[in-house]
Amino acid sequence: QQQVKQSPQSLIVQKGGISIINCAYENTAFDYFPWYQQFPGKGPALLIAIRPDVSEKKEGRFTISFNKSAKQFSLHIMDSQPGDSATYFCAASSRGAQKLVFGQGTRLTINP
Amino acid sequence: DGGITQSPKYLFRKEGQNVTLSCEQNLNHDAMYWYRQDPGQGLRLIYYSQIVNDFQKGDIAEGYSVSREKKESFPLTVTSAQKNPTAFYLCASSIDVTGHYEQYFGPGTRLTVT
Repeated sequence: QQQVKQSPQSLIVQKGGISIINCAYENTAFDYFPWYQQFPGKGPALLIAIRPDVSEKKEGRFTISFNKSAKQFSLHIMDSQPGDSATYFCAASSRGAQKLVFGQGTRLTINP
Repeated sequence: DGGITQSPKYLFRKEGQNVTLSCEQNLNHDAMYWYRQDPGQGLRLIYYSQIVNDFQKGDIAEGYSVSREKKESFPLTVTSAQKNPTAFYLCASSIDVTGHYEQYFGPGTRLTVT
């Protein structure tokens, strides 16, 4: 019940296209859903995060969509660029849980 | 510059040897974490610490040990009891451990044990 399932494992998108990565969870106590971006050989960095009181959050070309009833959330990257090529991790936590639960990661490649 | 430093970037050890990975932060964060990253398995929590002289086991603590003698430092020892120690190790910190604050990650240490 503590798992976060992420898909797909890898994704190839043409430059200018839309990249979509999905995550699903079971624990209804989760109330914080961040996405992290990791470039090769580097540590992950926070990209964008959402709380379940909203269904969507947008920051530039990056949007999180959240479906509380389906217990799913997704990351959309609009107008994908080669510089977006990285591994993306979704995560979730509940207040007081003291830790983030990470998805398995998605390796995104944007072809020029 | 504020941030998290991990050293060394690459580490090679022979099987049966203990090895200590360094993690230092100057962000004045209370909470620090150690994760292990393997291909296709995401980030798995090894240990975390809320405060100096206190730490908790994560999901895969067996074969690892930590200490938190200073707020800035959270070294991880990979012992010879860890069955499969070759991995990419990431240290992180956050303001506290409620889970609702951004975790800042270091650049990682790639450990290879042969």
